[in-house]
Amino acid sequence: QVQLQESGPELVKPSQTLSLNCTVSGGSVSSSNYYWSWIRQHPGKGLEWMGYSYYSGSTYYNSSLKSRITISVDTSMNQFSLRLSSVTAADTAVYYCARWAFGSGPNAFDIWGQGTMVTVSS
Amino acid sequence: QSALTQPASVSGSPGQSITISCTGTSSDVGSYNLVSWYQQHPGKAPKLMIYEVTKRPSGVSDRFSGSKSGNTASLTISGLHAEDEADYYCCSYAGSSSLFGSGTKVTVL
Repeated sequence: QVQLQESGPELVKPSQTLSLNCTVSGGSVSSSNYYWSWIRQHPGKGLEWMGYSYYSGSTYYNSSLKSRITISVDTSMNQFSLRLSSVTAADTAVYYCARWAFGSGPNAFDIWGQGTMVTVSS
Repeated sequence: QSALTQPASVSGSPGQSITISCTGTSSDVGSYNLVSWYQQHPGKAPKLMIYEVTKRPSGVSDRFSGSKSGNTASLTISGLHAEDEADYYCCSYAGSSSLFGSGTKVTVL
């Protein structure tokens, strides 16, 4: 079955760029009918959709992050990534990668990674 | 985009039924039958419980059911079990974006 695993630095300095990868196992990022997504959760708070990307490069972002976020899919590595620039302490959160299955799929986030805590601090 | 509105907390005794509401607008919940619900236990990733308003993924108990009326979706948990104690989030497709609810903590008394 498909599994997702986040990886990347746990600590990022303010003003730098946060970079995370999500490795897909048991399936292909090139499969049709899936958007590959990032969702975050600030400590003690709710879930925030950040954006998603199709393997062909189409991307959709949360308007509140649009100037700082890039989500891309690397079909050769079977992974997708998140880059968030100019981070501040407000970007400290648990970051989840997730699969959005559309079309004949459940049209929902059906597979999630375990999440990775990223702290922004000097 | 503001988060969909959910009650902060709902509680019930074992065996009882509870309902969690999720209120959006005509641009999200009201426009699409693409509301999903997620269960999150502390320190764990969310788990899909309901999709497309009323459908359950394989393996999810039929004690969980969903519905929608206008701009408000609802999740009902029937016959509460101790293991149902968790945070629950709704999510709606909103036209090239997704919007989560504010979250509801379910307590089993």
